[in-house]
Amino acid sequence: AQTVTQSQPEMSVQEAETVTLSCTYDTSENNYYLFWYKQPPSRQMILVIRQEAYKQQNATENRFSVNFQKAAKSFSLKISDSQLGDTAMYFCAFMPLSGGSNYKLTFGKGTLLTVNP
Amino acid sequence: DAGVIQSPRHEVTEMGQEVTLRCKPISGHDYLFWYRQTMMRGLELLIYFNNNVPIDDSGMPEDRFSAKMPNASFSTLKIQPSEPRDSAVYFCASSPQGRSYGYTFGSGTRLTVV
Repeated sequence: AQTVTQSQPEMSVQEAETVTLSCTYDTSENNYYLFWYKQPPSRQMILVIRQEAYKQQNATENRFSVNFQKAAKSFSLKISDSQLGDTAMYFCAFMPLSGGSNYKLTFGKGTLLTVNP
Repeated sequence: DAGVIQSPRHEVTEMGQEVTLRCKPISGHDYLFWYRQTMMRGLELLIYFNNNVPIDDSGMPEDRFSAKMPNASFSTLKIQPSEPRDSAVYFCASSPQGRSYGYTFGSGTRLTVV
């Protein structure tokens, strides 16, 4: 079974600064996808960014980028120029593409990010 | 596209009562998932459907929980009888055939059993 670990339960950052959220995962699969989801106080789960394991290039979506280290099984999220609206719970998630759990999304426990004015 | 629609948004019920949560997936999405979110256990996959057929219900906690998908545009998650430990946020999500793009989640139902 796959596990996803987010070692930082809470983090805070000043507006306009940069913050990095950590995520590690454990799997024996070689083909998979990784995701970061954001859950603001509204409770809605919003997809922030995705990474395909077979791609070495790190994914980027505007102010959000990832550092994907496949050998280390690490998938961190960097938020640049933090904004007050980035305040939310952030979840790292793993999706294998083969095996009995293929295409099932497994989530980490989340990191609560607070952006301070 | 209206997204994944869940109802009700909040539900408060007494222990022992039957609770039914509803979900309308995005049109054209072949997969539907039910998740439960609690502080202690985080987000847990309860069950998922492909083309209205339940594929994996190994996450359903006990026989008190049941889920159905009578057609491509509607699914229910039922708890009978409900218990206080069932209090949680229940999410429905859907995904097209190419699921590697992730799931689209509904806004969830917050269930409180007193």
